[in-house]
Amino acid sequence: DVKVTQSSRYLVKRTGEKVFLECVQDMDHENMFWYRQDPGLGLRLIYFSYDVKMKEKGDIPEGYSVSREKKERFSLILESASTNQTSMYLCASSSPRRGGETQYFGPGTRLLVL
Amino acid sequence: RKEVEQDPGPFNVPEGATVAFNCTYSNSASQSFFWYRQDCRKEPKLLMSVYSSGNEDGRFTAQLNRASQYISLLIRDSKLSDSATYLCVVNPTSGSARQLTFGSGTQLTVLP
Repeated sequence: DVKVTQSSRYLVKRTGEKVFLECVQDMDHENMFWYRQDPGLGLRLIYFSYDVKMKEKGDIPEGYSVSREKKERFSLILESASTNQTSMYLCASSSPRRGGETQYFGPGTRLLVL
Repeated sequence: RKEVEQDPGPFNVPEGATVAFNCTYSNSASQSFFWYRQDCRKEPKLLMSVYSSGNEDGRFTAQLNRASQYISLLIRDSKLSDSATYLCVVNPTSGSARQLTFGSGTQLTVLP
């Protein structure tokens, strides 16, 4: 059974703080993704990675960076948090070898930036 | 125009009712289509893939109309546990084949 975990379920930060969101998957998946989900806007892709140390920008990368030093771990970094980054952040993984495009999601992190 | 458009609802239906959701996509080159389900305050999970010939999984039927760029999900004999948000998902293939584009979801509440 695929398991994707995220470091925090809820997070409160102040404007200007650096924020790290961590995601770990235990199924040896090559692909990992970071989305944010906002009411009425659905899931929007921030960044994704298809291999260790590889990353590609999604639809809304501005204000974010990512790191993938190990295959199982994909980190999202907010260099200087702003109030418009208050959102639900969802991590997902998939493997072209197993299940193709099916993405498995973590439970999400609700981030509030004050 | 959004790449994937869904009626946001909410759809409020009584138990046992049949309900249908529709979704349109803008990229005619899209190759893969899915329905995901998201329970309140939970993560999305794959409900079913959508094949050109249409497919059925128990009470759920998914259909694809490529000419109209339209996907549907039919739920028969609705259960209380079907209450959730249903996300229409498309692989647009215009970018990386690994990416998926999600609709903003249709909210369903099944009432006792």
